[in-house]
Amino acid sequence: DAGVIQSPRHEVTEMGQEVTLRCKPISGHNSLFWYRQTMMRGLELLIYFNNNVPIDDSGMPEDRFSAKMPNASFSTLKIQPSEPRDSAVYFCASSLGNREDRLTYEQYFGPGTRLTVT
Amino acid sequence: KNQVEQSPQSLIILEGKNCTLQCNYTVSPFSNLRWYKQDTGRGPVSLTIMTFSENTKSNGRYTATLDADTKQSSLHITASQLSDSASYICVVSAAAGNKLTFGGGTRVLVKP
Repeated sequence: DAGVIQSPRHEVTEMGQEVTLRCKPISGHNSLFWYRQTMMRGLELLIYFNNNVPIDDSGMPEDRFSAKMPNASFSTLKIQPSEPRDSAVYFCASSLGNREDRLTYEQYFGPGTRLTVT
Repeated sequence: KNQVEQSPQSLIILEGKNCTLQCNYTVSPFSNLRWYKQDTGRGPVSLTIMTFSENTKSNGRYTATLDADTKQSSLHITASQLSDSASYICVVSAAAGNKLTFGGGTRVLVKP
């Protein structure tokens, strides 16, 4: 099992540019989560999907952020336009849950994408 | 407001010694509590998850306790090893709305 795959691992971009982060969840998992981690704010849940449908996006900081999950094996997190305060490590995680309380199930994290916006 | 507070923020222990990390929460209604270990430069890895009815759960040298009445949890590391050097994050899930609240983490450094 390859685990959760994220790309790129590192991204450096200039302010105002569009950034797209990619995630491939573990095969067979039906929930996918995007997190952001900074020294100041720690780990924050941005959005999560169940069966490719966004369930809760209340953690998305603002309209510059958008996430999609076109199929069960791929998701993207896009920032447009990017700003220096978006610099962080972005994690994708997946889990398998068949009940309403889908957050009960263990989440498996990817290695993260370290984003630097200059 | 749902909050999770972890203490201490950081600690240094000698290899072979035990240590205990604390997590206090105000999340309500409570669904479950997890402890994660995060090595530098890597994603968090789940150590334990406990629901309301569970008050102790072990994973090797890691033992988590939960007191749902006082809304406190602890993570005890027995006979620490250098590989235990990491950040440990407490995460509490609220039953209503499937919300997660994260603690700030405790950074542990094990010295030889």
